[in-house]
Amino acid sequence: DTAVSQTPKYLVTQMGNDKSIKCEQNLGHDTMYWYKQDSKKFLKIMFSYNNKELIINETVPNRFSPKSPDKAHLNLHINSLELGDSAVYFCASSLWTSGDFTDTQYFGPGTRLTVL
Amino acid sequence: EDQVTQSPEALRLQEGESSSLNCSYTVSGLRGLFWYRQDPGKGPEFLFTLYSAGEEKEKERLKATLTKKESFLHITAPKPEDSATYLCAAPGSNTGKLIFGQGTTLQVKP
Repeated sequence: DTAVSQTPKYLVTQMGNDKSIKCEQNLGHDTMYWYKQDSKKFLKIMFSYNNKELIINETVPNRFSPKSPDKAHLNLHINSLELGDSAVYFCASSLWTSGDFTDTQYFGPGTRLTVL
Repeated sequence: EDQVTQSPEALRLQEGESSSLNCSYTVSGLRGLFWYRQDPGKGPEFLFTLYSAGEEKEKERLKATLTKKESFLHITAPKPEDSATYLCAAPGSNTGKLIFGQGTTLQVKP
């Protein structure tokens, strides 16, 4: 009965490769997010989708491309991986009751990406 | 500029030694202050949401309080299983996107 799940848990790859991370939520939420947590544990929003529509697109390299096939899924594809992309990536989801981001966000277990 | 700052960065307590974690924010028109707990290798786990100054919420040994400038997470008689990183966050005043503090890593020794 996992609420927000991500795959894979760990991802080790070489510079220049392309990789994807998948996220699924079974909470019935209509908004999903991607966050990046750096080595100092700072969590920073990258993207957000509401009902499959992109509503947040932070200043991240365009090598990062999110895709939401439906309300319950949000994937993150990363092209031409660089050393600086190494981090933990978290997916989250929430309701959208007020039309803003004040609903509680529930996080997945994270994907630790290591670029060699 | 909206900011959320937590202190201290790290806190070591003996089991049973009560203390408080601080989260100060500079966000106009606060629309919620969130507390999360994060264990090593796991995602943040939701603890509390506070919406207005004076509000308090409790869960086991944790109590969160909110003023107009800061929030406190009080830990009463902590146990080793309370060891974790505690994160606070607030929606930004313009975009509403959650802004996280850098966290306080709590270690409770038996």
